Amino acid sequence: QQQVKQSPQSLIVQKGGIPIINCAYENTAFDYFPWYQQFPGKGPALLIAIRPDVSEKKEGRFTISFNKSAKQFSLHIMDSQPGDSATYFCAASLADNKLIFGAGTRLAVHP
Amino acid sequence: KAGVTQTPRYLIKTRGQQVTLSCSPISGHRSVSWYQQTPGQGLQFLFEYFSETQRNKGNFPGRFSGRQFSNSRSEMNVSTLELGDSALYLCASSLEGQEAFFGQGTRLTVV
Repeated sequence: QQQVKQSPQSLIVQKGGIPIINCAYENTAFDYFPWYQQFPGKGPALLIAIRPDVSEKKEGRFTISFNKSAKQFSLHIMDSQPGDSATYFCAASLADNKLIFGAGTRLAVHP
Repeated sequence: KAGVTQTPRYLIKTRGQQVTLSCSPISGHRSVSWYQQTPGQGLQFLFEYFSETQRNKGNFPGRFSGRQFSNSRSEMNVSTLELGDSALYLCASSLEGQEAFFGQGTRLTVV
């Protein structure tokens, strides 16, 4: 019940494309859903986060869509660039600040 | 504002030894969490400290321990190292809520 399932494992898109990464959870008590971006040799960097009372949130080229009834949320990257090539992690947490991470999606954006 | 600082960046230790990793959170942040990242298990929560008290703990053996000092700096200790402890250890700090910012990590190799 504490798992967050992330798909796909890897994704290749052309520059300008819109990669979509999906996550699903079971525990309806989760109340915070962040997305992190990680480059090789670096720690994860917080990209954008959403709470369950909102269905969509945009920050720059990154958009989270949240479907509370389906217990799913997804990350869309608009106008993707080669510099967006990284591993992306979704996560969920309760009020206890413990982040439960998905397995990660390795994104490659080809020029 | 300086980010989360972890030292050292790299460590090589021998099986059976112990190791101490250090984390300095973002100034003003009182919560420090530790995560282990491995290719097989992904990102897993170790523990969280807030105002020098362990507030939450993950499912790791007692060989993994931590502490937090009055200036919010935190240390993590692993005793009797095993080969399987080789991982990237990440520290994250947050003000009080769930928005967590990660350091670059300490890469521990056990030989």
